[in-house]
Amino acid sequence: EAQVTQNPRYLITVTGKKLTVTCSQNMNHEYMSWYRQDPGLGLRQIYYSMNVEVTDKGDVPEGYKVSRKEKRNFPLILESPSPNQTSLYFCASSLDRHQPQHFGDGTRLSIL
Amino acid sequence: SQQGEEDPQALSIQEGENATMNCSYKTSINNLQWYRQNSGRGLVHLILIRSNEREKHSGRLRVTLDTSKKSSSLLITASRAADTASYFCATALYGGQLTFGSGTQLTVLP
Repeated sequence: EAQVTQNPRYLITVTGKKLTVTCSQNMNHEYMSWYRQDPGLGLRQIYYSMNVEVTDKGDVPEGYKVSRKEKRNFPLILESPSPNQTSLYFCASSLDRHQPQHFGDGTRLSIL
Repeated sequence: SQQGEEDPQALSIQEGENATMNCSYKTSINNLQWYRQNSGRGLVHLILIRSNEREKHSGRLRVTLDTSKKSSSLLITASRAADTASYFCATALYGGQLTFGSGTQLTVLP
């Protein structure tokens, strides 16, 4: 089954404790992206990657890191999480940058 | 502010009625996409319209695009209770960014 898998689905953690949210897709997609969703603000793109070893900043990259060492994986790293990063995060992938996105089920992060 | 802005923010209609949502954007785009999100779930792609297209249909969905006004509309005909969800437009820029609006919450009353 074609899917985008995010882990964990839920996480409560504390300020400053490094965390990684994994994202994996099984569709051989070139394009992958991370979004955060906050009430009233819709989805905002954090980082995107058009291919292996190619990543670019989206609208809200501050406080986040990503890497794309393999085509299928695109982890999101919060080196020193802060409460303003409490949000619902989505990973998505597509064949290329202009094609429709397939979304994961989301990761709800709470940073205390 | 967001590249795409939906209007209205919330819409409540009776089953069987049509629902129209609008999206405005600011810069040149490669295409515009509409997505649906059920509460707390991932987004699901509905329809994509390219910048050189003016109208597109998919089942009960009709999308229009006016690049001169930088606007798009999504029409859902003969709505059903199961159409209750949030709807987002997303603009695909030539450089690779995909920018979403803040969404329209549609409620279809049985």
